[in-house]
Amino acid sequence: AQRVTQPEKLLSVFKGAPVELKCNYSYSGSPELFWYVQYSRQRLQLLLRHISRESIKGFTADLNKGETSFHLKKPFAQEEDSAMYYCALRGTGRRALTFGSGTRLQVQP
Amino acid sequence: EAGVTQFPSHSVIEKGQTVTLRCDPISGHDNLYWYRRVMGKEIKFLLHFVKESKQDESGMPNNRFLAERTGGTYSTLKVQPAELEDSGVYFCASSQTGELFFGEGSRLTVL
Repeated sequence: AQRVTQPEKLLSVFKGAPVELKCNYSYSGSPELFWYVQYSRQRLQLLLRHISRESIKGFTADLNKGETSFHLKKPFAQEEDSAMYYCALRGTGRRALTFGSGTRLQVQP
Repeated sequence: EAGVTQFPSHSVIEKGQTVTLRCDPISGHDNLYWYRRVMGKEIKFLLHFVKESKQDESGMPNNRFLAERTGGTYSTLKVQPAELEDSGVYFCASSQTGELFFGEGSRLTVL
């Protein structure tokens, strides 16, 4: 079975502060990990994936297989980062994604 | 190019009634997925079509839910009869290779 856990329902920070949204997963094989984001009144969209190893909008995420984590980080939060963030996993041989319950990030001015 | 479109955006029905949700994927996308988000919980996988075939329907909660994708284009998800616990937002997504592209969701409220 595969599972994605996002322990924080809400994370509130001030503009300019560092952000870390936690994601832990449970999967016996080698998963693909993703972060999806839903801004207010917009549809869910891909933010980044671990295999790309890229930084999108200042966000990065590193897959830590030892800790089975894929935390999303940004050194300096911006107000426009306020959104709902979902961590997702794709297992080997399966195209569908398994999502976590999401973390709402609130960046205050 | 149009993205994934879903209809209706919001449906309010009474327990026991039937509702049909529709999803039009991005043109040319063979993979179509249905997901559901119940308030405060995770986005849960329902099923996956490849063209018109059901590739994985392990997430369908029970036989009150019926999904079809005739001709491999648009898909419908019918709930019959609806129960209170079916309330939530139903998302459709499509993909060709890796990235999933989501629709705006259909909010279902069962009273």
